[in-house]
Amino acid sequence: AQRVTQPEKLLSVFKGAPVELKCNYSYSGSPELFWYVQYSRQRLQLLLRHISRESIKGFTADLNKGETSFHLKKPFAQEEDSAMYYCAPKGGTASKLTFGTGTRLQVTL
Amino acid sequence: DTAVSQTPKYLVTQMGNDKSIKCEQNLGHDTMYWYKQDSKKFLKIMFSYNNKELIINETVPNRFSPKSPDKAHLNLHINSLELGDSAVYFCASSPDRVSNTEAFFGQGTRLTVV
Repeated sequence: AQRVTQPEKLLSVFKGAPVELKCNYSYSGSPELFWYVQYSRQRLQLLLRHISRESIKGFTADLNKGETSFHLKKPFAQEEDSAMYYCAPKGGTASKLTFGTGTRLQVTL
Repeated sequence: DTAVSQTPKYLVTQMGNDKSIKCEQNLGHDTMYWYKQDSKKFLKIMFSYNNKELIINETVPNRFSPKSPDKAHLNLHINSLELGDSAVYFCASSPDRVSNTEAFFGQGTRLTVV
């Protein structure tokens, strides 16, 4: 069965502290992996995708196929990073985009 | 220019009513989706259409019926609304079904059934 796990519902960090949002997946085939972000009162938007290997807003994510993980990291959290973050694999015969349960990141002063 | 737009933004209605939510994308995308976000912020796919053809139909009650008159529109009609249907419904589109393409989301429709 296809499954995405984000173990933390809420992650609270101080400004300037490192951030790691965990994501583990169980998926048939080789899905593409994405992170989407939803800022307060805004629409869901793409943060980054593993295929592009780029850093967006200081965030990076490394795909570990052995551990089937795609953790999102940022060395120094900023207040504006406070949002809901969703890990999302996409794959299968219909290229279904599935979302994890989401992690709310709260960055405090 | 709004890429993916949904109407209405808010919808409050009584149990038993029938309502529709409309979605339009002006990106020229082939694939469109409906997602439901519940009170715990879980996002679950409901339907996906590719060039007006239904390709994903998750376990959704028959009261929910998507309709795609053309590839730029994917509307969601809900019959006999129930309290449990209260949620935020998101429409999204992507260029095609290829795995590495990004999905673009609408701003959501907050449905409240009373």
